[in-house]
Amino acid sequence: EDQVTQSPEALRLQEGESSSLNCSYTVSGLRGLFWYRQDPGKGPEFLFTLYSAGEEKEKERLKATLTKKESFLHITAPKPEDSATYLCAVQGSGNTPLVFGKGTRLSVIA
Amino acid sequence: EAQVTQNPRYLITVTGKKLTVTCSQNMNHEYMSWYRQDPGLGLRQIYYSMNVEVTDKGDVPEGYKVSRKEKRNFPLILESPSPNQTSLYFCASSLEGPNQPQHFGDGTRLSIL
Repeated sequence: EDQVTQSPEALRLQEGESSSLNCSYTVSGLRGLFWYRQDPGKGPEFLFTLYSAGEEKEKERLKATLTKKESFLHITAPKPEDSATYLCAVQGSGNTPLVFGKGTRLSVIA
Repeated sequence: EAQVTQNPRYLITVTGKKLTVTCSQNMNHEYMSWYRQDPGLGLRQIYYSMNVEVTDKGDVPEGYKVSRKEKRNFPLILESPSPNQTSLYFCASSLEGPNQPQHFGDGTRLSIL
């Protein structure tokens, strides 16, 4: 059974204090690992897709990396507007459903 | 503007009263799906549709129905809602399948009394 575990559950950072969020996964035949951002009262918003170990993607202050067992979302010099819940999801072989982690709730304090 | 639109956004109703949550996307996407999000459990898939000819169960389909008569619409039907279906529901779509970025609606908060 595909599983995703995200840590920490919550993270509080000072503005400018860089950190990383972790997504550990077990999946049969990874077809894609996804990062989403969710703001209160909104649906998840797509950030990145990673398909194979060693792959990295960047967008503004965010950088996602992937190994065979986990993915990291690195946040460099965060700003208060980066406060949100960050969700990780994996999709395994065939048309199996996306499996989401429970998310990391990030608060960035000015 | 590319979007997934859900209606209603909020609904309070009573046990047993049939309800439908509509979902429409304007991106010509083949793949559509429904999720529910509960505290401590995360997002779980209810049903999905690969295209207008194929719909199938996700992880938590009990008590729900769907239909896909047109590419753009994918309504979620609760024939006889119960309190354990109180949740936040999201519709999502992607170009071809679950291994592509999903575009989510803004959610429907259902309360079943």
